[in-house]
Amino acid sequence: GEDVEQSLFLSVREGDSSVINCTYTDSSSTYLYWYKQEPGAGLQLLTYIFSNMDMKQDQRLTVLLNKKDKHLSLRIADTQTGDSAIYFCADLSGGYNKLIFGAGTRLAVHP
Amino acid sequence: KAGVTQTPRYLIKTRGQQVTLSCSPISGHRSVSWYQQTPGQGLQFLFEYFSETQRNKGNFPGRFSGRQFSNSRSEMNVSTLELGDSALYLCASSFSPAGATNEQFFGPGTRLTVL
Repeated sequence: GEDVEQSLFLSVREGDSSVINCTYTDSSSTYLYWYKQEPGAGLQLLTYIFSNMDMKQDQRLTVLLNKKDKHLSLRIADTQTGDSAIYFCADLSGGYNKLIFGAGTRLAVHP
Repeated sequence: KAGVTQTPRYLIKTRGQQVTLSCSPISGHRSVSWYQQTPGQGLQFLFEYFSETQRNKGNFPGRFSGRQFSNSRSEMNVSTLELGDSALYLCASSFSPAGATNEQFFGPGTRLTVL
């Protein structure tokens, strides 16, 4: 079945760029999403990319998609302490709004 | 525009009981999806409703059920609760017309604890 994988932990220094990586298995994916979850909260939609795009930029966020390798990345420029959270990659797969999520990458930002 | 609301936010139940969770989508959104989040299994899709019809269902036992009302509000029910049902239950709403980006916006979740 469909699967999405992410590395579990990333630590960066404040002001540096963060890159969170994700791989997926479903070659028929149409949209891929990035969500952010802070402690005790729901999921916040950060950005998404359509499968026929290679890149999408949205303020400090840059999404890169390599469809051949089924690899997705999220780059956060000038990372701040407020960016500390768990980031989930999700694949719109299985039809009708069914999102397949990765396990989440915990981003820790230190001074 | 108000976001997705879920009630209650916290719930404590004992094994064998049943529970009903409620979700009100963003105004104008007609699709509601439910997800279960646990430390062990992560985020898993439960089911999706659109215009009062269940269009998609995840791999959960029949104890998990849901419905959607004509105003797009949705409820999910879990009967005969088990300890393993303890989780954060998240609801997501989407506008979901054909050709849209299917952006899903999540509520804050209901934290269910089964004792």
